Amino acid sequence: GAVVSQHPSRVICKSGTSVKIECRSLDFQATTMFWYRQFPKQSLMLMATSNEGSKATYEQGVEKDKFLINHASLTLSTLTVTSAHPEDSSFYICSARARAVNTEAFFGQGTRLTVV
Amino acid sequence: AQSVTQLDSQVPVFEEAPVELRCNYSSSVSVYLFWYVQYPNQGLQLLLKYLSGSTLVKGINGFEAEFNKSQTSFHLRKPSVHISDTAEYFCAVNHQAGTALIFGKGTTLSVSS
Repeated sequence: GAVVSQHPSRVICKSGTSVKIECRSLDFQATTMFWYRQFPKQSLMLMATSNEGSKATYEQGVEKDKFLINHASLTLSTLTVTSAHPEDSSFYICSARARAVNTEAFFGQGTRLTVV
Repeated sequence: AQSVTQLDSQVPVFEEAPVELRCNYSSSVSVYLFWYVQYPNQGLQLLLKYLSGSTLVKGINGFEAEFNKSQTSFHLRKPSVHISDTAEYFCAVNHQAGTALIFGKGTTLSVSS
């Protein structure tokens, strides 16, 4: 099946710094990528949708200046958490849809971000 | 608007017992339905999906689900669970190919011996 690689799996950063999370589709072209945030013991909340070559569409309540999303190629999307604060600590998961099979989304392994 | 309701937040069962995890959805149009499993600190693994056709869908690890349009349900079942099935299970829906999945709140399945 299609593989989505998310890196890093865990990151600890100091408050006020920025962190970049990468999401790569390894064996398919991802025309659309989605970024989710998951709080402990809770469901996945959609943060934003990005299409290759265009600006991301953010869900209501998500600060686009804090969570910068770039989808510069058909195999790579990045999420940058800028000026991170402890309340940004969470589990972030990306998913990607293939051009040819757009009825299914493939998920990365997730990134555990801890801001200290 | 679409929504997904997972009726049980926690389901404790004994090993080798059958289990059903319930999922109801609301949508005024045709839907695509999914069940995912998540192990601690990991991403989501697709168990099975319903796109069209047969309403009984078989997935990995011995799981199956039945799409019931009249009851707007997509319950997940397994006839005999293992300790290794202990995980979080999410039901998800979307009605248009290419759009983001909408997830339920999840059900924690705890299998004990």
